[in-house]
Amino acid sequence: IVLTQSPATLSLSPGEGATLSCRASQSVSSYLAWYQQKPGQAPRLLIYDASNRATGIPARFSGSGSRTDFTLTISSLEPEDFAVYYCQQRSNWPLTFGGGTKVEIK
Amino acid sequence: EVQLAESGGGLVKAGGSLRLSCAASGFTFSNAWMTWVRQAPGKGLEWVGRIKSKTDGGTTDYAAPVKGRFTFSRDDSKNTLYLQMNSLKTEDTAVYYCTTSSIVGTNGNVFDIWGQGTMVTVSS
Repeated sequence: IVLTQSPATLSLSPGEGATLSCRASQSVSSYLAWYQQKPGQAPRLLIYDASNRATGIPARFSGSGSRTDFTLTISSLEPEDFAVYYCQQRSNWPLTFGGGTKVEIK
Repeated sequence: EVQLAESGGGLVKAGGSLRLSCAASGFTFSNAWMTWVRQAPGKGLEWVGRIKSKTDGGTTDYAAPVKGRFTFSRDDSKNTLYLQMNSLKTEDTAVYYCTTSSIVGTNGNVFDIWGQGTMVTVSS
């Protein structure tokens, strides 16, 4: 399953909201996760099964969607949220990741 | 504290071999399904494969690009995961992460515990 993330880059200011998209080439039901990665660091799980926040993840992060279309929403960007975000499906083998969306400071 | 720590990365020539280790602590390693994910420089994440716990059969699954060249193993007495990489290619150059899941009900396929990664560079 191919996961296509858009946009590739999102230029925003702190305090603004962010909407990131992940589209699957076929249905993954709700088996989609979102990760955040900062330079030189390992990925960090944010959301799993489309809308479940992982432990310790702030409420400003939310996920929605099902089947082929998914969204990660950051309600109000904090300085530490500028990073690259990846989606990942666990519906079909092999597990696959999207190409990433970079959220950069405008 | 739950931790994973990879080691063993380095520079190797194409066609060569390398063995990575991943030391686990803070959780019951013997029950964990362990996964390797890699990231080429400036690129996205790529699932490499996984090894199940011995109680679940200890079976392995590999991504197509590495099947037949990479081998996963585990030593539960040492809480350590291994990745034996043979016949290395320049396209195997990447940071290699070991990862696992503590989230119930996801078949171990959502990753909330990660190591810091170890860099493997394959030269031509």
